[in-house]
Amino acid sequence: KQEVTQIPAALSVPEGENLVLNCSFTDSAIYNLQWFRQDPGKGLTSLLLIQSSQREQTSGRLNASLDKSSGRSTLYIAASQPGDSATYLCAVTDSNYQLIWGAGTKLIIKP
Amino acid sequence: KAGVTQTPRYLIKTRGQQVTLSCSPISGHRSVSWYQQTPGQGLQFLFEYFSETQRNKGNFPGRFSGRQFSNSRSEMNVSTLELGDSALYLCASSLDSSGREQFFGPGTRLTVL
Repeated sequence: KQEVTQIPAALSVPEGENLVLNCSFTDSAIYNLQWFRQDPGKGLTSLLLIQSSQREQTSGRLNASLDKSSGRSTLYIAASQPGDSATYLCAVTDSNYQLIWGAGTKLIIKP
Repeated sequence: KAGVTQTPRYLIKTRGQQVTLSCSPISGHRSVSWYQQTPGQGLQFLFEYFSETQRNKGNFPGRFSGRQFSNSRSEMNVSTLELGDSALYLCASSLDSSGREQFFGPGTRLTVL
């Protein structure tokens, strides 16, 4: 059974710092991995999707990597800003085409 | 292109009642998935519909049901509401049912009193 774990559960850093969020999964048989952002009480915004054949994807200050063999993905945020404060979730699409979710990392960027 | 829309955005019901939530996918998307999000359990998959057929179902009781119409719009229904059904219900659409990127709506916040 696929399990997704995100570490840390919460992170607070000063504005301007570069940071890394971690996501690990137990079964390497995935179709893709997505990183999402969720603001309090709101829906989910897709940030990056990495296909299983890819190693990384970039969008602006965000870079996500995928190491399928080791079951790990990282989301790198460069030059963090207070507007980046949110909960970040990763999810893998498993062999049944279902999204399996991590519990999220709550990120606070201090001005 | 309009995004995924969900109605209503907020609902308050009492135990024992039933509720119907609606989701309109992005134009051209034929797959709709539903998720429940609670502080204790996080995000959990409810079910997925593609071309009016349920393709996958999560581990939820039969009180939770859904359907999809020919225009790809989807509804989910929860009967005999329980306090534990209070949650944010999220709908996501994708082009098809083969693991493509999913795009989420703003959710419906259901409170059961």
